Amino acid sequence: DAKTTQPPSMDCAEGRAANLPCNHSTISGNEYVYWYRQIHSQGPQYIIHGLKNNETNEMASLIITEDRKSSTLILPHATLRDTAVYYCIVSGQKLVFGQGTRLTINP
Amino acid sequence: DTGVSQDPRHKITKRGQNVTFRCDPISEHNRLYWYRQTLGQGPEFLTYFQNEAQLEKSRLLSDRFSAERPKGSFSTLEIQRTEQGDSAMYLCASRSGAREKLFFGSGTQLSVL
Repeated sequence: DAKTTQPPSMDCAEGRAANLPCNHSTISGNEYVYWYRQIHSQGPQYIIHGLKNNETNEMASLIITEDRKSSTLILPHATLRDTAVYYCIVSGQKLVFGQGTRLTINP
Repeated sequence: DTGVSQDPRHKITKRGQNVTFRCDPISEHNRLYWYRQTLGQGPEFLTYFQNEAQLEKSRLLSDRFSAERPKGSFSTLEIQRTEQGDSAMYLCASRSGAREKLFFGSGTQLSVL
C-alpha cells in the first residue's frame, strides 16, 4: 500500500472552506484514495473516496491531480463539528492509516 | 443498515488474564477487519477476513492474539495472557467489496492493569 504525507495540523475559520492536502507520490494504478475522519474516542468515519476522477458527496469534495500523486479534501463550509483528525489513505485490500491531519475549526 | 457493532465498549482486566471481544459487521458484508489504536496514533491494521477465511495477519499480531470468524458473520478477537502494552482501542470494520467504503464500529477500549 502506498504511503501518504499529510500536514500534522491545520486551522480553519468556521464557515470557510477547509482544504486538506495529501501527497501520495507512490500510488499505483489500481489504488483508491480514501478519506476518513475521527473524532475523539469514536471509530473512524468514512468521508469520500475516488480513483482518478474528482468526487463530491454531501460531506465533501475530493480533488485528485491528473498524475494522481496528490489530492485535496475540501469541506466547503466548515463547522465546529468538523474538528477532528482527518486521514488520507491510499489502499488496495486493506486501509493503512498514517498519523493524519488534526483539523481545528475556530469560531 | 444497523452499523458495525462491537461488544464490550470497555474492558478492564488484570495482566495475565484472557479477554475476548466480539464484532458484528453490517449484514452481508463479506470483508471484516480488526485494527488497534493507541492514544495519539492512527489505527493499525491487525487482520482481515473474507467470509470465514483469514486472509492477512499483521506482524503486530503476536501468538497471544487470535481472531476467528467461524460462519462468515460475527468475529471474535481473543488476547491471551494480556500485557499492559495491549491497552488500546480495538476497532472492527466491515465492507461489501475490496474497493468499497469501510464502516467502523465504535471500538472496544481495553485497559490492562
